[in-house]
Amino acid sequence: AQSVTQLDSQVPVFEEAPVELRCNYSSSVSVYLFWYVQYPNQGLQLLLKYLSGSTLVESINGFEAEFNKSQTSFHLRKPSVHISDTAEYFCAVSPRGGGGNKLTFGTGTQLKVEL
Amino acid sequence: GAVVSQHPSRVICKSGTSVKIECRSLDFQATTMFWYRQFPKQSLMLMATSNEGSKATYEQGVEKDKFLINHASLTLSTLTVTSAHPEDSSFYICSARSSGLAGGTDTQYFGPGTRLTVL
Repeated sequence: AQSVTQLDSQVPVFEEAPVELRCNYSSSVSVYLFWYVQYPNQGLQLLLKYLSGSTLVESINGFEAEFNKSQTSFHLRKPSVHISDTAEYFCAVSPRGGGGNKLTFGTGTQLKVEL
Repeated sequence: GAVVSQHPSRVICKSGTSVKIECRSLDFQATTMFWYRQFPKQSLMLMATSNEGSKATYEQGVEKDKFLINHASLTLSTLTVTSAHPEDSSFYICSARSSGLAGGTDTQYFGPGTRLTVL
């Protein structure tokens, strides 16, 4: 079984400031890792994912996340946020090579970017 | 690519009626679709896994007779909430797992969700 912990339920930050959203996971098997973003009253959009290879993955809109196996973490970072980044961010994992690719989600972090 | 749609986006119904929600993968074939439920300000809870042409697999605690799932084709899955009650009011989100896209079979693509309100 897998579990995902997002310790910060809300993160307020000023525009153009850097931000880090924390994600830690627990699993008895190797996992794939994902970050999804959810805008109000919308479904989830895949932001970035780690499947294999380089532990640092990037999205097209400036976010990046680094897989740290020893710390079982997959923190999401952005060096300079924009108002439009205000949304709910979910970290998720799924077991490699089986388990039906079921996703286990964290409880989400609300990123609020202020002027 | 990898677009998933849901219909309707919002539905209000009376207690005791049934509501059908459709989930479609528009530009890819999805051998597996997932149905989630999300309560306000909470995370997504997986309700069931739907494989094309076979019976859905429900998560523990989810009533299969209340939440009927049909996955009749590689691009369509439906969730029917039977005899809906106010406690069934929620945001229902589907996702589809690609079977051949560049993202690989390990990525789920989500629909925009359906807001169900039962009066």
